Amino acid sequence: NAGVTQTPKFQVLKTGQSMTLQCAQDMNHNSMYWYRQDPGMGLRLIYYSASEGTTDKGEVPNGYNVSRLNKREFSLRLESAAPSQTSVYFCASSEGLVRTGELFFGEGSRLTVL
Amino acid sequence: GNSVTQMEGPVTLSEEAFLTINCTYTATGYPSLFWYVQYPGEGLQLLLKATKADDKGSNKGFEATYRKETTSFHLEKGSVQVSDSAVYFCALSGGATNKLIFGTGTLLAVQP
Repeated sequence: NAGVTQTPKFQVLKTGQSMTLQCAQDMNHNSMYWYRQDPGMGLRLIYYSASEGTTDKGEVPNGYNVSRLNKREFSLRLESAAPSQTSVYFCASSEGLVRTGELFFGEGSRLTVL
Repeated sequence: GNSVTQMEGPVTLSEEAFLTINCTYTATGYPSLFWYVQYPGEGLQLLLKATKADDKGSNKGFEATYRKETTSFHLEKGSVQVSDSAVYFCALSGGATNKLIFGTGTLLAVQP
């Protein structure tokens, strides 16, 4: 029962390098999300996709791009990594509106930018 | 805009002690309110929720009541266990958006 799977779990980058975080869910959920978690700041929404083919900015989208590849997969790309993007990244999914439903989270990807 | 404020931690308790973690919110309209829990090394998972005023959410011995008059959703448990050690996040979802807004999280450490 995989749920939400993120790869990689750990990554170290140098400033200016690029990378893509992959996320896949096997629950046939419509909506998917990318959050970052930083000490003292909780979780902040980077981007989300309400349904296949759509994406929208969250609170902190600068420096990131996303692709909703299909209903299962939602990737997050850092084109030119900066030390300020050192964080733990979480992918999540929901069947419908989070107002009444539940977000299911992956285990997180810890990214360090030197 | 909408926001959530929760008490800073860490909160350190002995096993079987009573737990309260305060959460207040600012929102227009009638948001839904949630508590999520993050165990060490894991992602967040839903602990309980309430979707309208005066609703009480409960799960695993935890409870929280949606108080519109005080804009609060405090988390309580009568007798904590070591296994309850985790970070607890209060969150809200309101209006027409399909987004959750999280508080900063409160670390709970329960000692035997």
